Amino acid sequence: NAGVMQNPRHLVRRRGQEARLRCSPMKGHSHVYWYRQLPEEGLKFMVYLQKENIIDESGMPKERFSAEFPKEGPSILRIQQVVRGDSAAYFCASSPGQERYEQYFGPGTRLTVT
Amino acid sequence: DAKTTQPPSMDCAEGRAANLPCNHSTISGNEYVYWYRQIHSQGPQYIIHGLKNNETNEMASLIITEDRKSSTLILPHATLRDTAVYYCIVDTGGGNKLTFGTGTQLKVEL
Repeated sequence: NAGVMQNPRHLVRRRGQEARLRCSPMKGHSHVYWYRQLPEEGLKFMVYLQKENIIDESGMPKERFSAEFPKEGPSILRIQQVVRGDSAAYFCASSPGQERYEQYFGPGTRLTVT
Repeated sequence: DAKTTQPPSMDCAEGRAANLPCNHSTISGNEYVYWYRQIHSQGPQYIIHGLKNNETNEMASLIITEDRKSSTLILPHATLRDTAVYYCIVDTGGGNKLTFGTGTQLKVEL
């Protein structure tokens, strides 16, 4: 059973460009979470999604950031007009739901904004 | 979610048991205790969770005090690969966001 997959593993963007981060949850998992880890800091929750629905986006910055988890395909975290402060590791996690809520994390995408 | 308190760092000799404590004195009756770890730069790894009974799996054991105000994660035979930051998190388990604190940096040495 493959684990949570994230791609790309490393992404370099210039200021003002768009970044798209993809996450494929574990097979059978319908809940997806995104977290961000700034350099030398702890992980911070960003958003929680189920298929086609955003359940909790309380950790998402108000502008430039959006997330989706379509009926088919991976979950996407999109950052528009990136700035240097967006440089971080972005981790996706999935859980099976249905009273089993432990989260399984992917290897992360390391975004560098130049 | 209840706050947790963990020592910032601990050392353990390889092959010995590593006992990582966590205080969660304000835990609610419906909150679980979860343990995760993050090995340098990797994604966090789920270890174990429990509500009030002690739990054991292939990775570790979780001992929760009767009043549920504290718990201990036990790695029975620590190896160098267990060197990581260990996070104790209390959560209702209802698909909520996880709140990671600063955790305990466990260093396993020869």
